[in-house]
Amino acid sequence: DSGVTQTPKHLITATGQRVTLRCSPRSGDLSVYWYQQSLDQGLQFLIQYYNGEERAKGNILERFSAQQFPDLHSELNLSSLELGDSALYFCASSAPTATSQETQYFGPGTRLLVL
Amino acid sequence: ILNVEQSPQSLHVQEGDSTNFTCSFPSSNFYALHWYRWETAKSPEALFVMTLNGDEKKKGRISATLNTKEGYSYLYIKGSQPEDSATYLCAFVNDYKLSFGAGTTVTVRA
Repeated sequence: DSGVTQTPKHLITATGQRVTLRCSPRSGDLSVYWYQQSLDQGLQFLIQYYNGEERAKGNILERFSAQQFPDLHSELNLSSLELGDSALYFCASSAPTATSQETQYFGPGTRLLVL
Repeated sequence: ILNVEQSPQSLHVQEGDSTNFTCSFPSSNFYALHWYRWETAKSPEALFVMTLNGDEKKKGRISATLNTKEGYSYLYIKGSQPEDSATYLCAFVNDYKLSFGAGTTVTVRA
């Protein structure tokens, strides 16, 4: 158990819908990262937040957005869902500095299925 | 997002044998390289974060080396055990962004 929690574990929804994935980082961690693992692709970095502020953006679609709240939990919002958004979404957190040199601890993931 | 390549894509090794595989990354603007171990139905688990050219890190029977000038890192598994079966991912860090390789899937045969 990494100490990072993600909810829900599984989510089934329809095309065109909007969903919110939630992540709570390890106690004391200020950085949160979101990743997508699709069937036909490797692990893709989506976005990083540090202490409430966006730090880095990767392959995140405009239909997707994220935020980190004052209590440091983060939410990833996926809207106008398409079949291709079906994937495993991971959240990770790391120690309280702003760099990417720290170990990242991954949550168990949320498996999203868009029908 | 930068090109990070891992080879081989998969390998089979006999229990007790040692093995190694490669992660190649851009040699310019190096910041850090992460290695992860990912078992089926679990989440990636951090093995090493490597930051300096010539770095060597070890965790039990697994070790890694780093050459930032030529843009590669090796991961070694000594005396492979069935529990070492997993996909090993490397991730290159540049400008706070992580680019992952596709992974090397290791299967250890008893």
